[in-house]
Amino acid sequence: GQNIDQPTEMTATEGAIVQINCTYQTSGFNGLFWYQQHAGEAPTFLSYNVLDGLEEKGRFSSFLSRSKGYSYLLLKELQMKDSASYLCAVRDSNYQLIWGAGTKLIIKP
Amino acid sequence: DAMVIQNPRYQVTQFGKPVTLSCSQTLNHNVMYWYQQKSSQAPKLLFHYYDKDFNNEADTPDNFQSRRPNTSFCFLDIRSPGLGDAAMYLCATSRVVEETQYFGPGTRLLVL
Repeated sequence: GQNIDQPTEMTATEGAIVQINCTYQTSGFNGLFWYQQHAGEAPTFLSYNVLDGLEEKGRFSSFLSRSKGYSYLLLKELQMKDSASYLCAVRDSNYQLIWGAGTKLIIKP
Repeated sequence: DAMVIQNPRYQVTQFGKPVTLSCSQTLNHNVMYWYQQKSSQAPKLLFHYYDKDFNNEADTPDNFQSRRPNTSFCFLDIRSPGLGDAAMYLCATSRVVEETQYFGPGTRLLVL
């Protein structure tokens, strides 16, 4: 079966750095996405990785290792507004998105 | 601004009373998706349209139907809502299936 694993919940301090990990086992691989979802709202696109390595976009970076079936989302200079769920999703060989259940990130002052 | 719009944002219906949720897009994307998301769970794909071609997920109950009368609009019909259908319903679009999906704000459905 296809599976995406990410921690259920993480806590971090305002101004700090946090890394949210995602591991996956899917039928083929055609890219990995990270989405941010605030409570009661729709997911918003953050990043896309299809090749190994780090993609940086402002305070957010995403890393991919295809051989390890592993990705992480790195959030720097955390702000209170970063409190949200972060969803990892992998596109399989049929271009279907396989979603993780999300990591709820709690930011404390 | 190009966007994905969902109406209504909140919908209350009665057990067994048909309900229709609406999605429209100004992105001119070919693909439109409907997802169901329950609290603290991953979004679950119900079906998607590539242009007029309808693609149903194998485990989507028959209670859920969809219509896409034109490129801009897509509807989700729940024929006989049960208590277990209470969820957030998300519409998403992408230019083609190989590209990024963009979501509307969602419709939260409550079944009484």
